[in-house]
Amino acid sequence: AQKVTQAQTEISVVEKEDVTLDCVYETRDTTYYLFWYKQPPSGELVFLIRRNSFDEQNEISGRYSWNFQKSTSSFNFTITASQVVDSAVYFCALSEALGNYGQNFVFGPGTRLSVLP
Amino acid sequence: NAGVMQNPRHLVRRRGQEARLRCSPMKGHSHVYWYRQLPEEGLKFMVYLQKENIIDESGMPKERFSAEFPKEGPSILRIQQVVRGDSAAYFCATSFGVRDTQYFGPGTRLTVL
Repeated sequence: AQKVTQAQTEISVVEKEDVTLDCVYETRDTTYYLFWYKQPPSGELVFLIRRNSFDEQNEISGRYSWNFQKSTSSFNFTITASQVVDSAVYFCALSEALGNYGQNFVFGPGTRLSVLP
Repeated sequence: NAGVMQNPRHLVRRRGQEARLRCSPMKGHSHVYWYRQLPEEGLKFMVYLQKENIIDESGMPKERFSAEFPKEGPSILRIQQVVRGDSAAYFCATSFGVRDTQYFGPGTRLTVL
């Protein structure tokens, strides 16, 4: 069965610090997708990134970067120079094929990030 | 391009009443997923639908909950005879294709009094 672990329940940093959110996953599939979503205090879920299992290149988007390490089944997310607006709950998710008809989507429990001014 | 729409955003029901939650997919999306988020918890998958078909309902409680995605109109998650434990945020997500990224609606926050 697939599983997503986000060991950090809550993290607090001071503005401008860098912070890394950990995500470790378990899957038996060779083809899968990994995601990060952000849930700010307003409650909506914002898609951040999707990465397929064959693409281990790290990705950078502005202050955000992602480190995919297949060897350790990890997909960590780093925010550089954090800002108060980064305060949110961040969810890592894993998608596996569900036969030919869909995907089995599992979310981690989330990490609550508080960025203090 | 409008995103995923959900209504109502907030719904209050008394125990025993019915709750109907609606989800209108993003344009071009034909795959709908419903999730429940209990307070201070992550999202739990409930059901996956394509037009007129339930593909996977392994996360749905066996009683009182049902979902549909008719040929015309939004997907609907129906909860009959609500109980206090049904209070949660219900999110729908839609995707264009089978393995594509899911985009989430703003959620419906259900409160059962």
